[in-house]
Amino acid sequence: QVHLVESGGGLVKPGGSLRLSCVASGFPLSDYYMSWVRQAPGKGLEWISWSGSGVGYTDYADSVKGRFTISRDNAKNSLYLEMNSLRVEDTAVYYCARGANLDSWGQGTLVSVST
Amino acid sequence: EIVLTQSPGTLSLSPGERATLSCRASQSVGSRYLVWYQQKPGQAPRLLIYGASSRATGIPDRFSGSGSGTDFTLMISRLEPEDFAVYYCQHYGTSQHTFGQGTKLEIK
Repeated sequence: QVHLVESGGGLVKPGGSLRLSCVASGFPLSDYYMSWVRQAPGKGLEWISWSGSGVGYTDYADSVKGRFTISRDNAKNSLYLEMNSLRVEDTAVYYCARGANLDSWGQGTLVSVST
Repeated sequence: EIVLTQSPGTLSLSPGERATLSCRASQSVGSRYLVWYQQKPGQAPRLLIYGASSRATGIPDRFSGSGSGTDFTLMISRLEPEDFAVYYCQHYGTSQHTFGQGTKLEIK
């Protein structure tokens, strides 16, 4: 059974950093494209990054490019999102999801950026 | 970046009625890269339709998707109470995988 569990969210001040983790089970992460998607309170879904199954294949939404870094540790079956220079507008629930067509999602982790 | 525009923003219907949701792309999207999701309050989204018209595992056949190029449609043939939710389209045909802004399907 496919299962994704995100962690690492919390309250951080503007300009601060956080590292989100997503632990996968029920499938080998190495075989799959993985994505991060976020949802600001009361708003729609925003795709922010993907990581291809091959080494080095990644991309980012313009809103986070240069500040966020996606990575994975296939041996630990884990996906990460390093978030730097956080802004108030980065406040959202962050989801990891499997595949290019996002066929499985975690429950999300809340990131709040506030003074 | 391809922009996806969903309409209507809100759709008010009664159980048993048919719902038709639209997703229009700012430029042509390969059908294989167009997907639809359903999201209920407090829950993560769920994949409904992939490849514009293929139902994901466990999705009832009252849900159907169609379209090509720049115009795509999600249809729900006979609304059940559990279908009232927010629906999003998304493409992944380019390196920027954008979502539409969503259509809220509410009970009339």
